[in-house]
Amino acid sequence: EAQVTQNPRYLITVTGKKLTVTCSQNMNHEYMSWYRQDPGLGLRQIYYSMNVEVTDKGDVPEGYKVSRKEKRNFPLILESPSPNQTSLYFCASSPNPLTSGSPQETQYFGPGTRLLVL
Amino acid sequence: AQSVTQLDSHVSVSEGTPVLLRCNYSSSYSPSLFWYVQHPNKGLQLLLKYTSAATLVKGINGFEAEFKKSETSFHLTKPSAHMSDAAEYFCVVTSSGGSYIPTFGRGTSLIVHP
Repeated sequence: EAQVTQNPRYLITVTGKKLTVTCSQNMNHEYMSWYRQDPGLGLRQIYYSMNVEVTDKGDVPEGYKVSRKEKRNFPLILESPSPNQTSLYFCASSPNPLTSGSPQETQYFGPGTRLLVL
Repeated sequence: AQSVTQLDSHVSVSEGTPVLLRCNYSSSYSPSLFWYVQHPNKGLQLLLKYTSAATLVKGINGFEAEFKKSETSFHLTKPSAHMSDAAEYFCVVTSSGGSYIPTFGRGTSLIVHP
């Protein structure tokens, strides 16, 4: 089954304790991205990756890091979480818009990770 | 630059009546437009998308949307609401000539009354 998986689904942590949220897709997609969703703000993109070893900042990258060492995985790293990073996080993937032949591709979303930073 | 505005934060309808969720956009380049639905405690699911083909786009579950360039709108409609349509709906714009960062609207919560 084609899917995007995220782990953990729920996480409670304390300020300053490094954490990683994993994201994996099995569709051989080149493009992957991370979003955060906050009430009344919709989804805002944190980082995206066009391919392995190619990452770039989205709209709200402060306080986050990502890596793309393999095509299927795109972990989100919070080196020193703060309470304002309490949010619902989504990972998404799609074929690379530059190489797929279609200017824009549908994104496939993971189930979400709900993070609470105390 | 691009932006999207969902004109209503909440829409309330009775089961069996039409649904209209409004979305206006702006884009410096040719836009692609999407509607996603998010049911409670679920991820986002694509309803439909417009990518410069037919201006009237049909999606899943009986939803459709019409791209109107002159009005810079991409409103989502459904002739008859079902209880299962109650969810959050997001309008999204991306642009072929700009960055590959999609812009999401703030969402419209659809409430369906029996």
